[in-house]
Amino acid sequence: GEDVEQSLFLSVREGDSSVINCTYTDSSSTYLYWYKQEPGAGLQLLTYIFSNMDMKQDQRLTVLLNKKDKHLSLRIADTQTGDSAIYFCAERPKAGTALIFGKGTTLSVSS
Amino acid sequence: DGGITQSPKYLFRKEGQNVTLSCEQNLNHDAMYWYRQDPGQGLRLIYYSQIVNDFQKGDIAEGYSVSREKKESFPLTVTSAQKNPTAFYLCASQALIRDRAFFGQGTRLTVV
Repeated sequence: GEDVEQSLFLSVREGDSSVINCTYTDSSSTYLYWYKQEPGAGLQLLTYIFSNMDMKQDQRLTVLLNKKDKHLSLRIADTQTGDSAIYFCAERPKAGTALIFGKGTTLSVSS
Repeated sequence: DGGITQSPKYLFRKEGQNVTLSCEQNLNHDAMYWYRQDPGQGLRLIYYSQIVNDFQKGDIAEGYSVSREKKESFPLTVTSAQKNPTAFYLCASQALIRDRAFFGQGTRLTVV
């Protein structure tokens, strides 16, 4: 079956790096995504990676994909208090189908 | 300014009533989705539509109904058959080719 797993909580200090991990089950997934949700708001697309890539970097964000282990991670460098939010990993098993989301990782950043 | 708009932001329903949540997009996206979010549950798919006048049930469609008469609009009705409707509802759209989904700001529905 299709399932996306994430740890539920992560707590870091301001200025440290945060690493949020995700595992997925469908090896045919063509795209994998990271979304951010702030309290009471919708989901904001942070970044995405094609399944034929190993890494993607976008400013403070680094996405690593290990397709063999079906493992995806999001690293946030120099984490700020404004990064406190829920982060969702999502996969799309094939083009045009609905995204399948993990339960979200709540990132708490303390100063 | 292109985007996806949900209204209202907050909605209160009495037991036994049907309510309709609005979702409109001007991104010219073919596909639209409704998700329900409960604390600790992540996002669960209610209904989705890939073309006008066609829609499919998601994982938790019971007690909900939708229509897709226009490409821009995908309203969700929460019927009285939905026994636990209090939740945060999110609408999303995507262009089938590009595959990235964009979300509205959500509607929080509370049963009073």
